[in-house]
Amino acid sequence: GQQLNQSPQSMFIQEGEDVSMNCTSSSIFNTWLWYKQEPGEGPVLLIALYKAGELTSNGRLTAQFGITRKDSFLNISASIPSDVGIYFCAGREWQGAQKLVFGQGTRLTINP
Amino acid sequence: GAVVSQHPSRVICKSGTSVKIECRSLDFQATTMFWYRQFPKQSLMLMATSNEGSKATYEQGVEKDKFLINHASLTLSTLTVTSAHPEDSSFYICSATRDRGNSPLHFGNGTRLTVT
Repeated sequence: GQQLNQSPQSMFIQEGEDVSMNCTSSSIFNTWLWYKQEPGEGPVLLIALYKAGELTSNGRLTAQFGITRKDSFLNISASIPSDVGIYFCAGREWQGAQKLVFGQGTRLTINP
Repeated sequence: GAVVSQHPSRVICKSGTSVKIECRSLDFQATTMFWYRQFPKQSLMLMATSNEGSKATYEQGVEKDKFLINHASLTLSTLTVTSAHPEDSSFYICSATRDRGNSPLHFGNGTRLTVT
């Protein structure tokens, strides 16, 4: 089935640094979603993107829906310790397809 | 915001027994729910799509007789792991969407199943 290529797989940064991660697909997606998962819990929705070129912010988080509709990125500015976790991109391939395809995840570790 | 509740959060069972996991949408009606499985340090793998009032749609490689799904109402879907074996030990997560459009999926907190 369709796979999303998410990178990097892991990041080790200092508190206060900015973070950037991205996802690419081989086919066109009509929705991109970014989730964060902490140990032992389900993913929590961070940002939802619905239109090519759309740029959306949620506090220190910013995500964009690529104009080719085959990629998306998530940026976190001025990282803090509570940003630690695994970030997943997810997408829907076509209108009405409710199931999501997930990326492999980016594990973020922050050194205080 | 939308809330999806999953129960139990942890369960330990003996090999050969069956375990039922419940997924409820608390503040919206979910015509469709999804069941995912997640192994340590891996991404979420879709197991099946649960549609209210009809049979679930299973992904390739997922045994429908092993993982029984029932979506009897617009707010409840259940996943039953039948005749559980140690290799079924995993983190099971349900998700739900409010409508058949582009609404984001909201996830439950997951169920950690350990089969001894």
